[in-house]
Amino acid sequence: GIQVEQSPPDLILQEGANSTLRCNFSDSVNNLQWFHQNPWGQLINLFYIPSGTKQNGRLSATTVATERYSLLYISSSQTTDSGVYFCAVPRFGNEKLTFGTGTRLTIIP
Amino acid sequence: ETGVTQSPTHLIKTRGQQVTLRCSSQSGHNTVSWYQQALGQGPQFIFQYYREEENGRGNFPPRFSGLQFPNYSSELNVNALELDDSALYLCASSFTGNYGYTFGSGTRLTVV
Repeated sequence: GIQVEQSPPDLILQEGANSTLRCNFSDSVNNLQWFHQNPWGQLINLFYIPSGTKQNGRLSATTVATERYSLLYISSSQTTDSGVYFCAVPRFGNEKLTFGTGTRLTIIP
Repeated sequence: ETGVTQSPTHLIKTRGQQVTLRCSSQSGHNTVSWYQQALGQGPQFIFQYYREEENGRGNFPPRFSGLQFPNYSSELNVNALELDDSALYLCASSFTGNYGYTFGSGTRLTVV
């Protein structure tokens, strides 16, 4: 099956810093989603981005499908950005998701 | 538009018991998927239901089963609970052909 790797596994930053999270996938995909899992466990959808670039406030994401990677940018980090960030892609070209290994982001005041 | 709701939020069961977890899908969504997330890991796909039938299954034994009802809500049943079944169980709804998923807050199951 498809392999999804994320880097870095852990990231600790001061409030106000910028960060870049990376997601590599082993096969071509037609869907990629970025999620933020808050400390209570809920997965919040950030972006659905099979290709190109999207922005939502301080967050933006870019997927280069031909090179099999996606990047999530967080600017001017806030403590509420802390949590685990996952990228996820479909299994076998259908709608079931394979999640990456996750990046745990900790923002220090 | 209502989101995905799951119940209960927390549950403690004894090894060998059976458990039923419930999920109400987001309005307008017709597909429900279940995921298991062990501590420190990413969610793992259990199965998906569409039109009240199982539509794909991950690497989970038959003691994990499910149902989808006409209103698109769903249940996850786990028989003969094992200690390794302790995890956060997440439900996600979507609309077939539309790849956006909405996740619930999950049910945290502890097996002792």
